[in-house]
Amino acid sequence: QVQLQESGPGLVKPSGTLSLTCAVSGGSISSSNWWSWVRQPPGKGLEWIGEIYHSGSTNYNPSLKSRVTISVDKSKNQFSLKLSSVTAADTAVYYCARGRQLGYYYYMDVWGKGTTVTVSS
Amino acid sequence: QSALTQPRSVSGSPGQSVTISCTGTSSDVGGYNYVSWYQQHPGKAPKLMIYDVSKRPSGVPDRFSGSKSGNTASLTISGLQAEDEADYYCCSYAGSAYVFGTGTKVTVL
Repeated sequence: QVQLQESGPGLVKPSGTLSLTCAVSGGSISSSNWWSWVRQPPGKGLEWIGEIYHSGSTNYNPSLKSRVTISVDKSKNQFSLKLSSVTAADTAVYYCARGRQLGYYYYMDVWGKGTTVTVSS
Repeated sequence: QSALTQPRSVSGSPGQSVTISCTGTSSDVGGYNYVSWYQQHPGKAPKLMIYDVSKRPSGVPDRFSGSKSGNTASLTISGLQAEDEADYYCCSYAGSAYVFGTGTKVTVL
């Protein structure tokens, strides 16, 4: 079965760029799925960041769109997140997830374990 | 795009039923039948419990059910069990984007 694993620096300086990668195993990133990033600040709720299809098509949360870039590397079977101009408010657990078509639309049915990113000098 | 509104907490005794509401707008919950619900235990990743408003993925107990009326979706847990104690989040398609609910903590008394 498909498994996802997030990786990247756990500490990012304010005004810097947060960069994370999600490795996909047990399946191909080129399958008919969308691949998402979701974050959760400490003690708070979930926030959808954006998604990418293997073709490179993307959709982003309007509130983060100006700072977010999601890309895919089919040769490495992984996808990545870049969030620029970070502040302490971007401190969160970051999850990657697979968006699979179930029923009439796509739903996040497989999730990584999450990785904690702290923004601090 | 604002977070969908959920009650902060609900509680019930084992065997009882609890219902969690999720209120949005005509641009999200009310506009599409693409509502899902996620269960999250402390320190764990979310788990998909309901999709397409009322369908259950394989392996999810049938005591979990979903519904929708207008701009409000609901998740009902019947026959509450100790392992159902967790945070629950609704999620709706909102036109090329997704929006999550504020989250509800379910406590089993």
